[in-house]
Amino acid sequence: AQKITQTQPGMFVQEKEAVTLDCTYDTSDQSYGLFWYKQPSSGEMIFLIYQGSYDEQNATEGRYSLNFQKARKSANLVISASQLGDSAMYFCAMREVLSGAGSYQLTFGKGTKLSVIP
Amino acid sequence: DSGVTQTPKHLITATGQRVTLRCSPRSGDLSVYWYQQSLDQGLQFLIQYYNGEERAKGNILERFSAQQFPDLHSELNLSSLELGDSALYFCASSVGSQGPNQPQHFGDGTRLSIL
Repeated sequence: AQKITQTQPGMFVQEKEAVTLDCTYDTSDQSYGLFWYKQPSSGEMIFLIYQGSYDEQNATEGRYSLNFQKARKSANLVISASQLGDSAMYFCAMREVLSGAGSYQLTFGKGTKLSVIP
Repeated sequence: DSGVTQTPKHLITATGQRVTLRCSPRSGDLSVYWYQQSLDQGLQFLIQYYNGEERAKGNILERFSAQQFPDLHSELNLSSLELGDSALYFCASSVGSQGPNQPQHFGDGTRLSIL
């Protein structure tokens, strides 16, 4: 069974500073995908960034980047130049390949609550 | 806006009742996934449908069932409701057969409260 661990229940960051949210994973699969989602207090789940296990370059999407260290099985999310609107829960997730083509479920970590301080 | 539409946004009902949650996936997406988010269990995968067929099952109770219709919308049916079923239920969609790199895009969720 796959497992996602987010060890930081809560984090604080000063506005305009960078912050790193930790995520480690456990899998015996060679091919897997890692995702980060943001959940504001309003409740919706917003896709942020994706990293494939065979991708050699770290993924980046605007102010979001993923620090992927395959040997350490870590996929940390880095948010640069934090904004007040970044205050939210952040979830790390791993794609689990189930039997049959097109069967992909996500396994989520417990999340990190990020608070941006003005 | 993710393009995934879930209705209703809020649902309040009593124990023992039955409810139906509805999901319309993004245009072009063939896979629909249902997830349950509760305080004690976190986000858990329930079930996946791909182009009308059940593709994968997760931690879905026998009291729960789902289906995907020819127009690709999906419904999650919850019956004999218990207090512990109170949760935020998400539907997500993805292209599905194009490979695992496609992210799942989530709807805004249906918040179910059992009184």
